Amino acid sequence: GAGVSQSPSNKVTEKGKDVELRCDPISGHTALYWYRQSLGQGLEFLIYFQGNSAPDKSGLPSDRFSAERTGGSVSTLTIQRTQQEDSAVYLCASSFSSHSEEQYFGPGTRLTVT
Amino acid sequence: AQTVTQSQPEMSVQEAETVTLSCTYDTSENNYYLFWYKQPPSRQMILVIRQEAYKQQNATENRFSVNFQKAAKSFSLKISDSQLGDTAMYFCAFMKHNTNDMRFGAGTRLTVKP
Repeated sequence: GAGVSQSPSNKVTEKGKDVELRCDPISGHTALYWYRQSLGQGLEFLIYFQGNSAPDKSGLPSDRFSAERTGGSVSTLTIQRTQQEDSAVYLCASSFSSHSEEQYFGPGTRLTVT
Repeated sequence: AQTVTQSQPEMSVQEAETVTLSCTYDTSENNYYLFWYKQPPSRQMILVIRQEAYKQQNATENRFSVNFQKAAKSFSLKISDSQLGDTAMYFCAFMKHNTNDMRFGAGTRLTVKP
């Protein structure tokens, strides 16, 4: 594809349910990032994948959050037992390599936990 | 730790006029990169301009230019001949050389008025 795509665009879920958010990076990009953007806030780093290396999970806010990247391409961010404070826009970005490269962002998934 | 500060939560400018958005950062590093990203209502983050810290010359992209003051740790964005399509959130970001760690400011909401 021409850019980073994310699905769904919007997700409304009930408190306590699990959700999965998907990211398709730009073909050929080896690095993939997940960020969280709460209302009116900047971007909070969550997790980073680089090729087949172990991901950098240092930004995940709790053990309810996890992410996978299959085959070095598509990534899924999973939030278990969602809480209202998880409501935010979740942005995915990819870059050609990991270091000092411009990140290309997807349109994000707006998650609302009711 | 690196921090990025955008002291102007909101700004407005008349169409065709010039506006400057402020950004300061705190780091002990000598090699790093600075970015300005634009996020319109569509949520799609778009890179506006990038500056390498080792370059003394200020980066310029058409109507967008920066004033990079390394000693003062300042990285302001100037938008000339503002257009209605420039209305967006603008995020300043810092990335240490040879890392994947990009830190974002809280953003400045810019409104261009007709």
